[in-house]
Amino acid sequence: EIVLTQSPGTLSLSPGERVTLSCRASQSVASSYLAWYQQKPDQAPRLLIYGASSRATGIPDRFSGSGSGTDFTLTISRLEPEDFAVYYCHHCDSSLWTFGQGTKVEI
Amino acid sequence: QVQLQESGPGLVRPSGTLSLTCAVFGDSITSNNWWNWVRQPPGKGLEWIGETHHRGNTNYNPSLKSRVSISVDKSKNQFSLRLSSVTAADTAVYFCARDHQYGESTWAFDIWGQGTMVTVSS
Repeated sequence: EIVLTQSPGTLSLSPGERVTLSCRASQSVASSYLAWYQQKPDQAPRLLIYGASSRATGIPDRFSGSGSGTDFTLTISRLEPEDFAVYYCHHCDSSLWTFGQGTKVEI
Repeated sequence: QVQLQESGPGLVRPSGTLSLTCAVFGDSITSNNWWNWVRQPPGKGLEWIGETHHRGNTNYNPSLKSRVSISVDKSKNQFSLRLSSVTAADTAVYFCARDHQYGESTWAFDIWGQGTMVTVSS
């Protein structure tokens, strides 16, 4: 079973800053199944990135994804107030989906 | 616009069975998508429960497999979750989600329900 480890657990930042979130897989995984989600309090997760680097419909271009193998990154080029949330990476291997434990981006 | 809506009891007794339904609007349950359940205990992260396809295929989280059943009701355009022998550890917000194919071997959960809180307590 593949384990996704996100780091750091929490980031304290200010609007306008650039942020890089990490998701590391316990073994090499297919990029096509790697996704990133944003979740705000009392809301459902929202798909940001699929296939490791493709933005979902309606997602601003300040969000970008990259990586391959075991190391994947979500970058927010310039934090907006509405970007403070928890971010999860997500992957499927052998028909089993796994989430990372999440990174909280706070003010 | 595709929407998913969860429904079911908000309180389940310990050792009982949790049953939830996800109604699908704006898409057909027989489309080439997989239909998923995900849960989130209070203050914690997301846990994938399992998925189903209208052809009857299912995949489950190994940690829950012995207690979980997910099925499709084509006549009502909805899918359901049953989780048996529940304990307090099953208390969580339960989300349904659509697993959509973007390209060959490229899938992601693009549509989510708003979630429903289920508490296991006597």
